[in-house]
Parts: sequence; structure tokens; C-alpha cells
Amino acid sequence: QVQLVESGGGVVQPGRSLRLSCVASGFTFSRYVMHWVRQAPGKGLEWVAVIWNDGSNKVYAESVKGRFTISRDNSKNTLSLQMSSLRVDDTAVYYCVRGGSGWSWGQGTLVTVSS
Amino acid sequence: NFMLTQPHSVSESPGKTVTISCTRSSGSIASNYVQWYQQRPGSAPTTVIYDDNRRPSGVPDRFSGSIDSSSNSASLTISGLKTEDEADYYCQSYDSINLVVFGGGTKLTVL
Repeated sequence: QVQLVESGGGVVQPGRSLRLSCVASGFTFSRYVMHWVRQAPGKGLEWVAVIWNDGSNKVYAESVKGRFTISRDNSKNTLSLQMSSLRVDDTAVYYCVRGGSGWSWGQGTLVTVSS
Repeated sequence: NFMLTQPHSVSESPGKTVTISCTRSSGSIASNYVQWYQQRPGSAPTTVIYDDNRRPSGVPDRFSGSIDSSSNSASLTISGLKTEDEADYYCQSYDSINLVVFGGGTKLTVL
């Protein structure tokens, strides 16, 4: 079955960088669009970014544009999110999500931005 | 961009039927597929409806989705409510620039 395992979360100071990873299994990774979605504590879901199956196109939410970079390595079934210039309001659980019809979600990794 | 508006909370008794609405602020609700996600406390979201009215395998047929162009809204209906259905539910769609839009979420209480 589909498995998405995120890692890389932790506590980081404002202005610093952090890189999240997601290892996929149970499906042909290179055939699917992949997303990052986040959820601040006690809040709703917020879409962050999407990358096409072949990496040819990337789209970002306005709130992260210019600060976050989504990438993928289809040879390693891995999705990444490079986050820089982190702000306190970037604090959230970050979910790796397989796109297409019927999204599949990972369990998430918590990023806390605090001084 | 458009917004998707959901009621903040709904409640109903076990065995009853509940409907959660998701109203699109501009543009036609039929323009882009609507998805629904269930999120139980402390867990990641899971898909219960995709492409307006399709159920992933493993989701019981008590869950159904529909769209209504007259009200420009989508609906998630859960029949035969069970206590395990108590969760937050989010609708989601796409805008014309491939951006993803989520509703604010609805807390379902089964009392």
C-alpha cells in the first residue's frame, strides 16, 4: 500500500533553514504529482507547494514563494522541501501528499520556528 | 483566487444523517473537482471523497459527495452516523492556475 514517510522536522530559530524529506513506497513515484501541505497548531490545512511527476513544473503558495523550494528525486523515490528564511508562522506539521485522483497523506513532521 | 466556505461545526446523533456544505465564493463549483478529507484528532488527514463523488477503496458507502450548481456548493453526506465519524472534515478544490484551495474545515460531533 501507499507509504509516505516524512522526516527532517525539528526546532529552528527564525531566519534559519531546514530541509524536509519524504520517502515514498508502494506505488510508482515517478508517475505522480506530489504536494506539501501544512497545518499550524489548532488550525486548518494549508497547501504549500506542488511538483509535477517529472519535476518540470513547480507551483507555490504565496505565503512561501521565494523562501521554499520543492524538489524530487525519482531515482530515490524522494520528495524534498527546502525551507529558508523561516518565520514563526511557518510553525506547523508538514504533510507529504501524493496527488492525482484520491490523495494519499503521510503522517507529517513537525516544524517549530522559535527563538 | 476563490474561497471555500464551510460551517465551523455540525453535530448529530448516532444513526442519523449529516450533511456538510462547502460553498465556492467565485467561479463555478463544477469547474474543478472537489475532494473531502477526514482528520481524526491527532491523526493525518485521509481522503473520503475525490472527484466530487468518488470513494477510495475502504471508505464505507455511508459517505457520499455531490455538487449543486444552483448554490455553487459541494456537500459531504454521512449517513448512519457512528461515533468513529467524529472528526474534522475539509473540502478542497483547484483554481485555474493549478493552485490548491482548502475550506476552513468543519468539526463534526456525534453525540
